Amino acid sequence: AQSVAQPEDQVNVAEGNPLTVKCTYSVSGNPYLFWYVQYPNRGLQFLLKYITGDNLVKGSYGFEAEFNKSQTSFHLKKPSALVSDSALYFCALSYSSASKIIFGSGTRLSIRP
Amino acid sequence: DGGITQSPKYLFRKEGQNVTLSCEQNLNHDAMYWYRQDPGQGLRLIYYSQIVNDFQKGDIAEGYSVSREKKESFPLTVTSAQKNPTAFYLCASSISGSSVVYEQYFGPGTRLTVT
Repeated sequence: AQSVAQPEDQVNVAEGNPLTVKCTYSVSGNPYLFWYVQYPNRGLQFLLKYITGDNLVKGSYGFEAEFNKSQTSFHLKKPSALVSDSALYFCALSYSSASKIIFGSGTRLSIRP
Repeated sequence: DGGITQSPKYLFRKEGQNVTLSCEQNLNHDAMYWYRQDPGQGLRLIYYSQIVNDFQKGDIAEGYSVSREKKESFPLTVTSAQKNPTAFYLCASSISGSSVVYEQYFGPGTRLTVT
């Protein structure tokens, strides 16, 4: 069965420090992986996606994610965190154009000044 | 939140009443989706539609109904049969590809409270 997991409910980082939000997946076949961000009482905003090709994917707002097939991970990263990055982050997985997108449970990122 | 609108932003209903949530998109996307979001549970798929006049049940369709009469519109009705309807409801749309999975774009959501 296909699944996606975000092992951390909350991540706390000081402003200016690098941040990582973790995501692991399980799929038979090639994965399509996505990251979304949600601010309070708002819809989700698309950040980036991995379809194929380079393992390092760059996205919006300075975020990037590294696809690691051997570790079945797709961690979201940013070199220098901003207080405005504080939000709820979702990793999502699909495996074909005919399949649904499965969302992780979300990780709350808190950046302290 | 792109070209997807959901209305109203907040909705209050008495138990036993049906309620319809609106979702409209001007992105010319073929596919549309409805999700329910509860605290700590991520997003769960209620219904989705890949094309006008066709839709499929998602993981938690019981107590909900949809229609897709126009490409731009995908309203969701929360019926009185839905046992726990209080939640944040999100509508999304995407390009419908035959060989590629496209990202979904989300509306701002409707927070439904049933008492």
